[in-house]
Amino acid sequence: ILNVEQSPQSLHVQEGDSTNFTCSFPSSNFYALHWYRWETAKSPEALFVMTLNGDEKKKGRISATLNTKEGYSYLYIKGSQPEDSATYLCAPYNNAGNMLTFGGGTRLMVKP
Amino acid sequence: DSGVTQTPKHLITATGQRVTLRCSPRSGDLSVYWYQQSLDQGLQFLIQYYNGEERAKGNILERFSAQQFPDLHSELNLSSLELGDSALYFCASSGWTAPPYEQYFGPGTRLTVT
Repeated sequence: ILNVEQSPQSLHVQEGDSTNFTCSFPSSNFYALHWYRWETAKSPEALFVMTLNGDEKKKGRISATLNTKEGYSYLYIKGSQPEDSATYLCAPYNNAGNMLTFGGGTRLMVKP
Repeated sequence: DSGVTQTPKHLITATGQRVTLRCSPRSGDLSVYWYQQSLDQGLQFLIQYYNGEERAKGNILERFSAQQFPDLHSELNLSSLELGDSALYFCASSGWTAPPYEQYFGPGTRLTVT
């Protein structure tokens, strides 16, 4: 089982603030990294799937970068809105385990 | 709505009992994944099926088993239930077994063992 760490565990920001969080994972046997957004009382929803070192993906105000050599990914949210409040999960996939291993998540709360 | 359906939504049962959770993947998806989310833990991968065959296994207890049927729906069977099995069980599906494909999660089944 991979050791996947996400930081911070939780984050409170004001509406309009930009924020970012980190996902760290073992770089060996890396194949892909998934980011999911999980709103309370709903189910996780895919944001990005990244595979290449240096990859950068963007969806609206949310973007993510990937460094497979050092084993980390950043998720950025520009101009946070209350509807961005959710838990953001990262999950690397490596060839050894053939499965996604989810991190504990970063819980974001955006105050209006 | 992800297109993945799970039944039942809630299940309350007693220790020692056996339950079956059901999942129907998105139309056309061949892969089904089962996850467990307990209070003190994150999402834990249990097992994956692809077109009826087991493809990957996580930390699934021996008391738990799963299968995927020819119509691609899947069932997760939990037996000799213990209090610690109380959790939210998610099913997810994807088009392929390859990891670059995102997974679509169902609404989950909340199991309470009393």
